[in-house]
Amino acid sequence: AQTVTQSQPEMSVQEAETVTLSCTYDTSENNYYLFWYKQPPSRQMILVIRQEAYKQQNATENRFSVNFQKAAKSFSLKISDSQLGDTAMYFCAFMKLGGGADGLTFGKGTHLIIQP
Amino acid sequence: DTAVSQTPKYLVTQMGNDKSIKCEQNLGHDTMYWYKQDSKKFLKIMFSYNNKELIINETVPNRFSPKSPDKAHLNLHINSLELGDSAVYFCASSRYRSAANYGYTFGSGTRLTVV
Repeated sequence: AQTVTQSQPEMSVQEAETVTLSCTYDTSENNYYLFWYKQPPSRQMILVIRQEAYKQQNATENRFSVNFQKAAKSFSLKISDSQLGDTAMYFCAFMKLGGGADGLTFGKGTHLIIQP
Repeated sequence: DTAVSQTPKYLVTQMGNDKSIKCEQNLGHDTMYWYKQDSKKFLKIMFSYNNKELIINETVPNRFSPKSPDKAHLNLHINSLELGDSAVYFCASSRYRSAANYGYTFGSGTRLTVV
């Protein structure tokens, strides 16, 4: 079984600052995918970014990038030029290769607050 | 044009009642899921279902049962509701073999409150 750990229950930064959310995971799988999901107060779950474990290059989506360290089983999310609309819960999630039926294993989330 | 829609968005009911939450997706996905988000925001899979197999998380009480009339629908039935069932329930869908490539699409959740 996989476990995902997010050690920061809550973080608060000023608008326009850069913030990094940490995530570590434990698995015996060699091929898998990692995700960051955002859940704003509207409750909707929104995919922010995904990373394939077999790719060494870190994924980037506009202001969002990850630092994927496979050996360390670490998958942090960096948000650059943070905006008020980034305020949300952020969940790190794991899925094994071909694991459609097994679904996503989530961490407990980090509540990110962007201060004006 | 919501891709994954759940109804109702809010449900308040008394202990012991039986209730259903409906989910429909118009994405042509072949796999659907139910997740439970507890009061501490922790998300955990309850069921995954495609037209070939139903996989049930072993921790889910048998009072919970998914019902799929067709590939586009996966409803959640809950019998004899208990206070501890209060949570937000999310429906999601994906392509079975490509869930990781394309990710999940989540519904907006149903907040169930048992009083």
